[in-house]
Amino acid sequence: DSGVTQTPKHLITATGQRVTLRCSPRSGDLSVYWYQQSLDQGLQFLIQYYNGEERAKGNILERFSAQQFPDLHSELNLSSLELGDSALYFCASSPQKGQGNGYTFGSGTRLTVV
Amino acid sequence: GQNIDQPTEMTATEGAIVQINCTYQTSGFNGLFWYQQHAGEAPTFLSYNVLDGLEEKGRFSSFLSRSKGYSYLLLKELQMKDSASYLCAVRRSGNTPLVFGKGTRLSVIA
Repeated sequence: DSGVTQTPKHLITATGQRVTLRCSPRSGDLSVYWYQQSLDQGLQFLIQYYNGEERAKGNILERFSAQQFPDLHSELNLSSLELGDSALYFCASSPQKGQGNGYTFGSGTRLTVV
Repeated sequence: GQNIDQPTEMTATEGAIVQINCTYQTSGFNGLFWYQQHAGEAPTFLSYNVLDGLEEKGRFSSFLSRSKGYSYLLLKELQMKDSASYLCAVRRSGNTPLVFGKGTRLSVIA
């Protein structure tokens, strides 16, 4: 157990639907990052939150949104789903300092859009 | 812009040594990371380099040359369980998000 908890582990839904992925960071970590990993693709950065505020945005579609709550857990909302959104979605967390330790990743949510 | 290149696939023999290269071109540099990822699982942290030179950690070592925009991960005494993807990632500055390469899929054969 890495300390980063992601739910659900698997999600199957139809095109056009909306889903919410949840992430609880490791205790004490203030930063949360969301990444998408499609087949044969590297980890693509979506969005970063730090202590409740959006810190950086990557190639995140307008159909996607996220937020970080006061208890530091984060949710990634994916709407108007398309077949191409099928992927592994990872959440990672890191402390404010301790940059040499990089990220701790959750086990991911495998989203299948049918 | 940013570009991180790694070989797509490599094969090596159990007990041997393998070197996985990574070259990067990024606007800013504040550290290079290597992660291991088994199929369908989360990436796990292997190593971190921010200064030039070699960092050794057990069977794994990582090297960095900032002037050349180059790093490698060296795996010694390969084991079957080392079959996985190895991801190179660069942090451009401060606490900015890591940018990942597409990863190198390593197959260890008997």
